[in-house]
Amino acid sequence: KAGVTQTPRYLIKTRGQQVTLSCSPISGHRSVSWYQQTPGQGLQFLFEYFSETQRNKGNFPGRFSGRQFSNSRSEMNVSTLELGDSALYLCASRKDRQNEKLFFGSGTQLSVL
Amino acid sequence: LAKTTQPISMDSYEGQEVNITCSHNNIATNDYITWYQQFPSQGPRFIIQGYKTKVTNEVASLFIPADRKSSTLSLPRVSLSDTAVYYCLVGGHKYGNKLVFGAGTILRVKS
Repeated sequence: KAGVTQTPRYLIKTRGQQVTLSCSPISGHRSVSWYQQTPGQGLQFLFEYFSETQRNKGNFPGRFSGRQFSNSRSEMNVSTLELGDSALYLCASRKDRQNEKLFFGSGTQLSVL
Repeated sequence: LAKTTQPISMDSYEGQEVNITCSHNNIATNDYITWYQQFPSQGPRFIIQGYKTKVTNEVASLFIPADRKSSTLSLPRVSLSDTAVYYCLVGGHKYGNKLVFGAGTILRVKS
């Protein structure tokens, strides 16, 4: 069974640009959540999607948004990039929202210059 | 209010048993306790999950006391490759199902 796939693996952008990250969950998993990780900050919850609907949102500005498609694949978008958005963005999938067993992808390392 | 509390870091030597404790005083009745391991620049990896008493798999054991307000991850005979950050995650049912990770414990294994 294929794991969670995130693309691209690395990304370099400049301030003010926007970026879209992609996540393909494990087959059969309907929940996709996104996390931002910066050095010393740990894993910060961004949002979770289930059945194409955002179910939860963390404390991030509106520049961070996402969506989920009917095949459970998810995208995350960050507009008007700031230097502080440089981070490892992780996507995790789980079978349903009653199970805390998450499967993470390898992440997208975003550098904002 | 933090959902989970873990030691910031721990040091050990190869071949020793390591126990990492997590406090979760506000755990809800239907919350499970899940532990993850993370290496630099990688996503966290599931280690073990439990609800009560003791759970054991091929890599670790998880001990949960009767009041479930804490849990202990036990790693037997650690090796250098066990150097990583370990996260305790308590189910989000009490918090609108948000899966919020704590700061984690940095485990350093020395030779």
